[in-house]
Amino acid sequence: GAVVSQHPSRVICKSGTSVKIECRSLDFQATTMFWYRQFPKQSLMLMATSNEGSKATYEQGVEKDKFLINHASLTLSTLTVTSAHPEDSSFYICSAEGDSRSNYGYTFGSGTRLTVV
Amino acid sequence: DAKTTQPTSMDCAEGRAANLPCNHSTISGNEYVYWYRQIHSQGPQYIIHGLKNNETNEMASLIITEDRKSSTLILPHATLRDTAVYYCIVSDMRFGAGTRLTVKP
Repeated sequence: GAVVSQHPSRVICKSGTSVKIECRSLDFQATTMFWYRQFPKQSLMLMATSNEGSKATYEQGVEKDKFLINHASLTLSTLTVTSAHPEDSSFYICSAEGDSRSNYGYTFGSGTRLTVV
Repeated sequence: DAKTTQPTSMDCAEGRAANLPCNHSTISGNEYVYWYRQIHSQGPQYIIHGLKNNETNEMASLIITEDRKSSTLILPHATLRDTAVYYCIVSDMRFGAGTRLTVKP
């Protein structure tokens, strides 16, 4: 089946610094990738949708200058949390849609636990 | 906002079938229905998806009503490891609150 690798799985950073999270599709080409954040005991909240080679589409209320998304290739999308603050601490998850969506559905990464201190 | 609504929680006895309902009354004609589950601190795990017809795989069965306004995920023989939050979503990829399924011995 389709596999999405997300890295790092956990990261702790100081307030004011930036953190980059990578999302890779390992055995398929991901034309579209999705980024979510999840707070404890809550559901996944869609942050943005990224398409290879074009600008990401952000959901209402998500600051595009704070959460920079780059989808430069068909197998890699990155989310950079800029000038991180403690309130950005969360579980960030990516998912990818390949060209065989009818067979595999959307595949999710294992998530990144970000803690800002 | 998510296009799907699900009961907040459900219990199921181990070994029995778990039937998880989902309403998606505003689904568009070309949108699939997807089911995922999430165990604490992990990414969602794909279970099954469908468009119009009922579907079955090694994990579960998906029953979609003829008008496509609702569906039911069936875990035929629930085990303790099936305890998780189950999400039903459509192609817009927005998650609702999901159903917390607890399988009890």
